[in-house]
Amino acid sequence: AAGVIQSPRHLIKEKRETATLKCYPIPRHDTVYWYQQGPGQDPQFLISFYEKMQSDKGSIPDRFSAQQFSDYHSELNMSSLELGDSALYFCASSRDGNYGYTFGSGTRLTVV
Amino acid sequence: KNEVEQSPQNLTAQEGEFITINCSYSVGISALHWLQQHPGGGIVSLFMLSSGKKKHGRLIATINIQEKHSSLHITASHPRDSAVYICAARGVFGNEKLTFGTGTRLTIIP
Repeated sequence: AAGVIQSPRHLIKEKRETATLKCYPIPRHDTVYWYQQGPGQDPQFLISFYEKMQSDKGSIPDRFSAQQFSDYHSELNMSSLELGDSALYFCASSRDGNYGYTFGSGTRLTVV
Repeated sequence: KNEVEQSPQNLTAQEGEFITINCSYSVGISALHWLQQHPGGGIVSLFMLSSGKKKHGRLIATINIQEKHSSLHITASHPRDSAVYICAARGVFGNEKLTFGTGTRLTIIP
């Protein structure tokens, strides 16, 4: 069965650079959630989209933006990267909020 | 006080032992998830519970809505069960993001 696909799996960027992370939800899933998990920390909710509209916003820095496209995939854009942005970023998808979450494998971002 | 609390934080057991991890939450939920995360790895969803009990192989998850408490049990534990187990509370309709517990690091010794 198709899963939630994230790309890239690993990304190394320098400070002040930009990064774009992509998340492809399970077919027919209309909701995407983004989470950030710093080293040794709990995952923290960043932002979610339902039917291409932002549905909720968490602790997402102003330097980050995200959107959901017509095919329901989502991209997280990160600018002016800082060392503290190094983390595992994973997304999850669901449908109508009535089905279980399915998680992607995550993108591990390292800022050097 | 965290909205979702787990205990214990760390657990080491011998292979074959029965394992119990507890989760208490203080918020209204539509469901509670039990997740597994291997070191450096992504997250795998084990269970989603809104009531009662679910079983999958050697894993059993229970939830008591009135007491706002859930448990994850592992029978006949095996070294490959070593991972971090996380409970996450899913908000009510219209606010369905997950609030994560701090995780329980389980180590099963052969």
